[in-house]
Amino acid sequence: NAGVTQTPKFQVLKTGQSMTLQCAQDMNHNSMYWYRQDPGMGLRLIYYSASEGTTDKGEVPNGYNVSRLNKREFSLRLESAAPSQTSVYFCASSEGWGGTNEKLFFGSGTQLSVL
Amino acid sequence: QKEVEQNSGPLSVPEGAIASLNCTYSDRGSQSFFWYRQYSGKSPELIMFIYSNGDKEDGRFTAQLNKASQYVSLLIRDSQPSDSATYLCAVKSTMYSGGGADGLTFGKGTHLIIQP
Repeated sequence: NAGVTQTPKFQVLKTGQSMTLQCAQDMNHNSMYWYRQDPGMGLRLIYYSASEGTTDKGEVPNGYNVSRLNKREFSLRLESAAPSQTSVYFCASSEGWGGTNEKLFFGSGTQLSVL
Repeated sequence: QKEVEQNSGPLSVPEGAIASLNCTYSDRGSQSFFWYRQYSGKSPELIMFIYSNGDKEDGRFTAQLNKASQYVSLLIRDSQPSDSATYLCAVKSTMYSGGGADGLTFGKGTHLIIQP
């Protein structure tokens, strides 16, 4: 049981380049999320998908787009990378909402550097 | 504005002692409270969650919730060097209409060091 798998683990981009971070979960969870974690800022929600077919903005969505490809997969795209997007990105999933359903399971993270 | 405050630390505790981690939150109507542990360079993992006032125990971990004072704490008994990590407090705000974990606000974390 792999849980939440995200790729790549490391990426270096030049300003203006684009890339897609991939995430897949095998726990049959309904909800999926993308967070970024910066030193001194804590975890901040970029986008989330409450269920297959829906996506919504989180706290810091500017510069990102997402696609909920199916129930398992949720990708994050940077169309034109900027140095301010240098961060560690985590994908997470949960069964849904309400009570213990809201427990988050995180992927191993992607260290992204934008030069 | 949802706020979750934690002392960033580092909090240094001798091995075998009780480590006490605190978290305060601003949204008085918050209902769900979570503690995540994050080792350096790794992803967060859930260790405790609590919904009702009082204490909830799970092995060496105890979560304490006081909604009147708007704080939640995590106690780690018989601290071990393997407990050295950053502990993230997360609070689910009732003001957020999204419904799911999208309403979670994370604190910046407390760095705990257990000294052998």
